[in-house]
Amino acid sequence: KQEVTQIPAALSVPEGENLVLNCSFTDSAIYNLQWFRQDPGKGLTSLLLIQSSQREQTSGRLNASLDKSSGRSTLYIAASQPGDSATYLCAVRVPSNAGGTSYGKLTFGQGTILTVHP
Amino acid sequence: EPEVTQTPSHQVTQMGQEVILRCVPISNHLYFYWYRQILGQKVEFLVSFYNNEISEKSEIFDDQFSVERPDGSNFTLKIRSTKLEDSAMYFCASSVGTLSYEQYFGPGTRLTVT
Repeated sequence: KQEVTQIPAALSVPEGENLVLNCSFTDSAIYNLQWFRQDPGKGLTSLLLIQSSQREQTSGRLNASLDKSSGRSTLYIAASQPGDSATYLCAVRVPSNAGGTSYGKLTFGQGTILTVHP
Repeated sequence: EPEVTQTPSHQVTQMGQEVILRCVPISNHLYFYWYRQILGQKVEFLVSFYNNEISEKSEIFDDQFSVERPDGSNFTLKIRSTKLEDSAMYFCASSVGTLSYEQYFGPGTRLTVT
């Protein structure tokens, strides 16, 4: 059974710092990996999607890497801002446990709570 | 930019009552999902739906749960007889294609069972 773990559970940094969030997964048989942002009491905003054949994706100040064979992904945030404060979730898209037709459910980590203080 | 919408944003119900959570996926999307997040826990997959059929469901999605696409725009999750442990945030998601495509999530419905 696929397990996704995120380290650290919480991170507090001063504004302007570059930071790295880590995600690991136990089964390398994934289709892709998605990073999300979740603000308190709100929905999930997709940040980046990395296909299993890709090594990294970039969007603005965000860069996500994927090492499928070692079961790891990192989300790099450059020049952090107070508006980046949120919970960051990673999720892997996995085949059906039961075999047969699967449209790829997402299995989530527990998230990293990021606080960027001015 | 198109987005997934969900109603209501918050629903309070008594144990044993039926609830229907509603979602409007992005209009050209064909694959639909429900997930839930119990307070302080991970987001968990419930069910996926395509071509008016359930394509996959988790062990959480028992006979008390059902999904339906009653018309061309809505996608609903029904819980027949709610339990205290059904209290959670329920998220709807949709994607235009299958495995390699991004899933887009709605803002969620917070269900509180008393």
